[in-house]
Amino acid sequence: QQPVQSPQAVILREGEDAVINCSSSKALYSVHWYRQKHGEAPVFLMILLKGGEQKGHDKISASFNEKKQQSSLYLTASQLSYSGTYFCGTEVDSGYSTLTFGKGTMLLVSP
Amino acid sequence: NAGVTQTPKFRVLKTGQSMTLLCAQDMNHEYMYWYRQDPGMGLRLIHYSVGEGTTAKGEVPDGYNVSRLKKQNFLLGLESAAPSQTSVYFCASSRPRQNRNQPQHFGDGTRLSIL
Repeated sequence: QQPVQSPQAVILREGEDAVINCSSSKALYSVHWYRQKHGEAPVFLMILLKGGEQKGHDKISASFNEKKQQSSLYLTASQLSYSGTYFCGTEVDSGYSTLTFGKGTMLLVSP
Repeated sequence: NAGVTQTPKFRVLKTGQSMTLLCAQDMNHEYMYWYRQDPGMGLRLIHYSVGEGTTAKGEVPDGYNVSRLKKQNFLLGLESAAPSQTSVYFCASSRPRQNRNQPQHFGDGTRLSIL
């Protein structure tokens, strides 16, 4: 069952902030975040493991709420290069590390 | 550093034809995956492999077969192509989950059209 991402699309001006959410109905072991630009391969951003940790990467950070089985990706002071489609991939607590991806959130940053 | 390489990059097939997509990785990863990506659907797992000689079904396996005869290669086959299999196919690889914080590394994709 695919995780649910919200919103489906976001339009920002350069310098504004955005939050993308990813919710699952299953107990999760980890949440992965990827960004994909048009016509290119998905690129890894970060992994959140169960335990409710928060991570940061430049001006992009994420959190994982284990109780709610929800992860949020925070983009602060957005740059033009942040434009693309963001996917969360969720991993349940089973023997093999397969991911189930959400349908994606399209982010457009304009000058 | 090549990473994950997919061939071919583009292909047009007629309904009923067969073909094989090749994925090769040079990172010595144990796990390999095949996904398809359709507009508005995200990435859906077709088949995956946790090691040489092993394969398993993913979310949407019907109409596809796979083989992992060598650790570095993962082949995806379409025996009798159908228009519903028109999609962009991505291969990915990763280390086992026992090695924590292991991302999946994606190839550049194969754009397949079936007429």
